[in-house]
Amino acid sequence: EDQVTQSPEALRLQEGESSSLNCSYTVSGLRGLFWYRQDPGKGPEFLFTLYSAGEEKEKERLKATLTKKESFLHITAPKPEDSATYLCAVQASGGGADGLTFGKGTHLIIQP
Amino acid sequence: ETGVTQSPTHLIKTRGQQVTLRCSSQSGHNTVSWYQQALGQGPQFIFQYYREEENGRGNFPPRFSGLQFPNYSSELNVNALELDDSALYLCASSQNRGLDEKLFFGSGTQLSVL
Repeated sequence: EDQVTQSPEALRLQEGESSSLNCSYTVSGLRGLFWYRQDPGKGPEFLFTLYSAGEEKEKERLKATLTKKESFLHITAPKPEDSATYLCAVQASGGGADGLTFGKGTHLIIQP
Repeated sequence: ETGVTQSPTHLIKTRGQQVTLRCSSQSGHNTVSWYQQALGQGPQFIFQYYREEENGRGNFPPRFSGLQFPNYSSELNVNALELDDSALYLCASSQNRGLDEKLFFGSGTQLSVL
């Protein structure tokens, strides 16, 4: 059974204080690892897809990296508008019909 | 380009009742997935529809059923509601049967079962 574990569950940072969120996974052949952002009362919003170990992707203050067992979401000099829940999900190599397996998320609060 | 829209936004039902949730997919998308998100949890995959056929299903009982229409909009039906069915129900659209799982989510329907 595919599993995704995210840590920490919650993180409070000061504006400008960089940090990293962790996503550990076990999957029967990884097709892709996904990061989403979810604001209160909204559906998740796509951020990144990573396909193979060593891959990195960046978007503004966010950078996602992937190894064979985990992924990190690095947040550099965050701003209050980066406050959200960040979700990690995996898709097994069987294809899209099994859907994504999500972790519980990391609730990130950036204080001004 | 319109995004994914879901209706209603909130719903209150009692145990044993039936409910239908609706979703309009993003323009140009032919695949719709449904997810259940309990409070404090990540979304859980219910099922996926591609060109009006169920294309995959998660670990949910048969009382969770769905439909996809020719315009790719979709319905999620839940029979014999239980208290544990209280959750945010998310619809997501994509292309290519989800092989490219860049999902576009709606804002969800918050279902409360009393």
